[in-house]
Amino acid sequence: GAVVSQHPSWVICKSGTSVKIECRSLDFQATTMFWYRQFPKQSLMLMATSNEGSKATYEQGVEKDKFLINHASLTLSTLTVTSAHPEDSSFYICSARDATFGNTIYFGEGSWLTVV
Amino acid sequence: AQKVTQAQTEISVVEKEDVTLDCVYETRDTTYYLFWYKQPPSGELVFLIRRNSFDEQNEISGRYSWNFQKSTSSFNFTITASQVVDSAVYFCALSDIAAGNKLTFGGGTRVLVKP
Repeated sequence: GAVVSQHPSWVICKSGTSVKIECRSLDFQATTMFWYRQFPKQSLMLMATSNEGSKATYEQGVEKDKFLINHASLTLSTLTVTSAHPEDSSFYICSARDATFGNTIYFGEGSWLTVV
Repeated sequence: AQKVTQAQTEISVVEKEDVTLDCVYETRDTTYYLFWYKQPPSGELVFLIRRNSFDEQNEISGRYSWNFQKSTSSFNFTITASQVVDSAVYFCALSDIAAGNKLTFGGGTRVLVKP
């Protein structure tokens, strides 16, 4: 089946620094990718919709200047958490839409971010 | 606005028991997709099934089966003869086709299968 790869799987960074998470669709082209955040024992919260070649669409309450999303190619979207703070520590997971397979949404493995 | 409700937050069963996870959704769309995903403790989301709103046939895949009832806006999931490896959080999701198929998730149901 289709594979979406996310990197890194986990990252620890110092408060005030920026960290980039990559999301790649490995065997299909994804014009649309999505970024979610998940707090412990909670459901996934959509942060933004990433469209190849255009600006991301952010959900209400998500700071676009803090969570920078770039979708430069049909197989890669990146999420950069800028000036990270401990409250940004969370599980971030991306997904990609496979338009050639009935618009099925496949998810990456997720990235655990810890800000110390 | 779309909404997905998974009323059961946690279900605990003994191995080999059957377990049914409920999912009720709300949408004004006439065409939509419904999904089930499994999230094991490691965190990744595993795709289980996608169902088109026009296809109300029930589906069986091994020990998994799904019952789609459009009249009651439900898309329930049953695990037959549960195994310890089935322990995970299961999410039901509804796609918003007009919004590029972004998913609205239910709150998830944690399934604990005891040996």
